[in-house]
Order: sequence, then C-alpha cells, then structure tokens
Amino acid sequence: AQSVTQLGSHVSVSEGALVLLRCNYSSSVPPYLFWYVQYPNQGLQLLLKYTTGATLVKGINGFEAEFKKSETSFHLTKPSAHMSDAAEYFCAVSQAGTALIFGKGTTLSVSS
Amino acid sequence: NAGVTQTPKFQVLKTGQSMTLQCAQDMNHEYMSWYRQDPGMGLRLIHYSVGAGITDQGEVPNGYNVSRSTTEDFPLRLLSAAPSQTSVYFCASRETSTYEQYFGPGTRLTVT
Repeated sequence: AQSVTQLGSHVSVSEGALVLLRCNYSSSVPPYLFWYVQYPNQGLQLLLKYTTGATLVKGINGFEAEFKKSETSFHLTKPSAHMSDAAEYFCAVSQAGTALIFGKGTTLSVSS
Repeated sequence: NAGVTQTPKFQVLKTGQSMTLQCAQDMNHEYMSWYRQDPGMGLRLIHYSVGAGITDQGEVPNGYNVSRSTTEDFPLRLLSAAPSQTSVYFCASRETSTYEQYFGPGTRLTVT
C-alpha cells in the first residue's frame, strides 16, 4: 500500500530564507509524486509533479522538488521565501491507475 | 472550460438529514474522486470512479454513497448525516495521460 509522510506539521521561516518541506513516501512500484498548495479558504493548486524522466522537477512560484528513489523522498524547496508563500502544502503519491494518496500537510508560515 | 465544479459551496444539515453534494467536470476525464479534508488529517479519499458505471471505496467510505451514470457527473450522497461528517469536501478529476488531478473549489458542510 502507498503512504505519504510529511515531516513537520508546521514550518516557520523568515522572508528571504530557504524553504524546505519534507516528504517521504512508500510505494512498491515507481510512484507518481505531487506537491499541492492550499491558500486559506481555497481549493488545491498543483505546484509540481514527478512522473518519469528528470528527477529534479521545477514548479510554479519558484518551487522545485527532487525525486530521490534511494531515500524514498520528494522534498519541496524554494531558495527565498516570500510572504505570499504562506499556505498549507500537501505531498501526494499515486501509482498508475490508483488513487492519489495525500500526506497530512505542512503549514508554512513566513515572517518579515 | 469550467474545470471541476461543486455545489453547494456551503451547507448546514441537522443530524439524520440526507443530501447530495454535486460534482461535475467538463474535461472528459474518466477518473473522478471525492475527498474530505479535516484539520491535521490531510485529504482522505472517500470514493472514486474509473469511469461511468464503475465506483469503488476509498479510505473512509462509511456513511457515503456514490454513483457514476455519466462521465461528467459524480455526486456524493450522505444518507443520514452525522456530526462526524462535518468537513470540507473536495471533488477531483484526473487526466489519464499525466495523472494530474484537478480539484473543485470544495463544499463546506456542517452537521449539527
């Protein structure tokens, strides 16, 4: 069975600092991996996805993530945080033909 | 394209009442699903469908029914609402080739 673990339910950074949100997954076959962002009282927006090919994936708003099979990880990073990045972030995993399974989410706070 | 639409946006029910949450998509996606979002729990899969006439249970199906008579529509029925079903409900549809999942804006349901 697939599962997703997001380490840290709440991450706080200063504006301009590195953002690192951690995601580890379990999957018996090569997974498809996703990061979604949810701003307050809104739906989910896709940030980036990994399906096949290059393991470093670039997404919207300056975010990127690297698929590391040996570590079963798909951590999300951004070099310099903006106040507008404050939101909840969800990592999700899927296998071909199966449902998308989400982690419990990480709330990112950005202080000035 | 309207994408994935959900109605209503907000709903208050009394314990024991029934209702249907509507979901429609205009992207001709075969795969559709329903999630509920609760604080600290992420998104949990309720039911999903891989095409018209085919549905299956997800992680938390109890108290909910679904049907899929057309590709476009995937309603979620609460048979006898309970306070534990107070949540935000998201419908999603998925593109077959990219596995990218598109979410509706959500329905905020309160059961008193």
